Amino acid sequence: DAGVTQSPTHLIKTRGQQVTLRCSPKSGHDTVSWYQQALGQGPQFIFQYYEEEERQRGNFPDRFSGHQFPNYSSELNVNALLLGDSALYLCASSLRILGGETQYFGPGTRLLVL
Amino acid sequence: AQSVTQPDIHITVSEGASLELRCNYSYGATPYLFWYVQSPGQGLQLLLKYFSGDTLVQGIKGFEAEFKRSQSSFNLRKPSVHWSDAAEYFCAVGSYIPTFGRGTSLIVHP
Repeated sequence: DAGVTQSPTHLIKTRGQQVTLRCSPKSGHDTVSWYQQALGQGPQFIFQYYEEEERQRGNFPDRFSGHQFPNYSSELNVNALLLGDSALYLCASSLRILGGETQYFGPGTRLLVL
Repeated sequence: AQSVTQPDIHITVSEGASLELRCNYSYGATPYLFWYVQSPGQGLQLLLKYFSGDTLVQGIKGFEAEFKRSQSSFNLRKPSVHWSDAAEYFCAVGSYIPTFGRGTSLIVHP
């Protein structure tokens, strides 16, 4: 049973550029959440997708956007990158019909903005 | 608003010693509580979770946690630590969208 997968594993960008990160949920899961984890901090919730729509959003600017595809995979897009966007970006999947409480995390994409 | 406090940034224990990592939460109703572990450069792995029922929860890798409503705590314990347990541990609270603490780094001395 494949767990949550993310690509790429590492990424280096410069300020002002745009980036797209990808996530495939655990088999059978229909809900995808994205988190930003700065160095030395816990994960911070960015947004959650279910049925191809953004259902909830954390305190992140509109530069952060996402998408969910019919196969439940998801993308996180960040525009106009800032140095402060450097972080580990984590994708988590869950099954909403069961309450969605238990999330399973991928290994993350480490983004460095120079 | 829900929140989590992990008061210990670092904990150092000797291999074979017992371990307790502290977690205090703030939540308006009966909380959904989680402990995750993160090895260097890795994502988060779920150790255990509490939704309701028995307040002593057993998890993977020999970990357990006890929910104490009166103290708003959900401390993680292990009777005998192994060197491979060295990692970052995160407590989280909430349904659908958990709020994470800042983590406790566990260092294990041989």
